Amino acid sequence: DIQVTQSPSSLSASVGDRVTITCRASQSISRHLSWYQQKPGKAPNLLIYAAFSLQRGVPSRFSGSGSGTDFTLTITSLQPEDFATYHCQQTYSTPYTFGQGTKLEIK
Amino acid sequence: EVQLVESGGGLVNPGGSLRLSCVASGLTFTNAWMTWVRQAPGKGLEWVGRIKSKSDGGTTDYATPVKGRFTISRDDSRNMVYLQMNSLKTMDTAVYYCSTDSPLGSSDYWGQGTLVTVSS
Repeated sequence: DIQVTQSPSSLSASVGDRVTITCRASQSISRHLSWYQQKPGKAPNLLIYAAFSLQRGVPSRFSGSGSGTDFTLTITSLQPEDFATYHCQQTYSTPYTFGQGTKLEIK
Repeated sequence: EVQLVESGGGLVNPGGSLRLSCVASGLTFTNAWMTWVRQAPGKGLEWVGRIKSKSDGGTTDYATPVKGRFTISRDDSRNMVYLQMNSLKTMDTAVYYCSTDSPLGSSDYWGQGTLVTVSS
């Protein structure tokens, strides 16, 4: 199975900040990486697929980059509604493993 | 609008069985690849397994911890996907979500989840 390591596990930031979350795969996954946002008590919401493609309806302050083994989710100009938990997932080969999640909290 | 609604969760004893259901609407279900993802209390997401559309073979894939115990099936006439869970363990306690697979494998639509608690 491909392992996905996500960091940091938690992050404190302020409204208006720029934040970066990273995921590293245990082997090359090309660009087969997705990012999700999850709020407490809710299902995850797809933000980015194929490493950098923005899902329809997702604000442009979210962006993804990377290929191979190293990937980044960047949120520019944090908004109050962005404080949530973020998950990455490799979809290169089954089982499609997730990272451990990053909880983004208000500083 | 795509909607997914899970049902069938509840409390079950270790070693017991449970079948979860997910009904889909707002999409051409016969073409959909369907996935189950779970989330233990306070933990991250865990991919459980997937079933392809019948036209793509209808095959299934499973995560290592559930292989041989869980079975995913589908009934295209009812727009339903099922997760049959046998030999349940306390570590299977989680909210179980069904989702649709986009062509690149990411889960683009999700249900609200159903809670399964395995405890004596």
